[in-house]
Amino acid sequence: GENVEQHPSTLSVQEGDSAVIKCTYSDSASNYFPWYKQELGKRPQLIIDIRSNVGEKKDQRIAVTLNKTAKHFSLHITETQPEDSAVYFCAASPGGAAGNKLTFGGGTRVLVKP
Amino acid sequence: GAVVSQHPSRVICKSGTSVKIECRSLDFQATTMFWYRQFPKQSLMLMATSNEGSKATYEQGVEKDKFLINHASLTLSTLTVTSAHPEDSSFYICSAPRTGMNTEAFFGQGTRLTVV
Repeated sequence: GENVEQHPSTLSVQEGDSAVIKCTYSDSASNYFPWYKQELGKRPQLIIDIRSNVGEKKDQRIAVTLNKTAKHFSLHITETQPEDSAVYFCAASPGGAAGNKLTFGGGTRVLVKP
Repeated sequence: GAVVSQHPSRVICKSGTSVKIECRSLDFQATTMFWYRQFPKQSLMLMATSNEGSKATYEQGVEKDKFLINHASLTLSTLTVTSAHPEDSSFYICSAPRTGMNTEAFFGQGTRLTVV
């Protein structure tokens, strides 16, 4: 089955700096890669996703890159703000008939210091 | 976006009793739903895939007789934790994909189960 590794497990940045989280996956059949933000006791919230037919996607301060050959994808948050503090999870899915069976990375606890 | 509602949000039960958790897709039909478990400060681990009108598919290491899943309609899946023990205490969360061009998964609010 799919295995998703995520690094780092914790990340502390100064407000205004950038944050980068990296994930690798093992199953070459995976073609959908979402990123979720989870606050304590809450449900994961989708913040951005990318499919295997593109290499990069950006939405305001958030961007995701995908390298299919190397089987890794990254989340970039620029101009970080205190409200970006949360746990972030990457995930991978084969999509299609599997209908979004997600395998999650271990999570990254991000702390943005004012 | 689509809405998935999970109930209850919190439950405390005694060891040996059973607890039922409901997951509803409110504005779309879901032939498939997923159940995850999340221990404190850990990631979401897929427990099983709930299939409308057929048996659930369980991940390796998940006891199907302990975690009963029923997906009787296109908008409702239930997870019953039977004979609960303290080690079953966790955050249980469901998701339902809205298939189509955008296969985004929508999560329920989660259920915090505490077994005492």
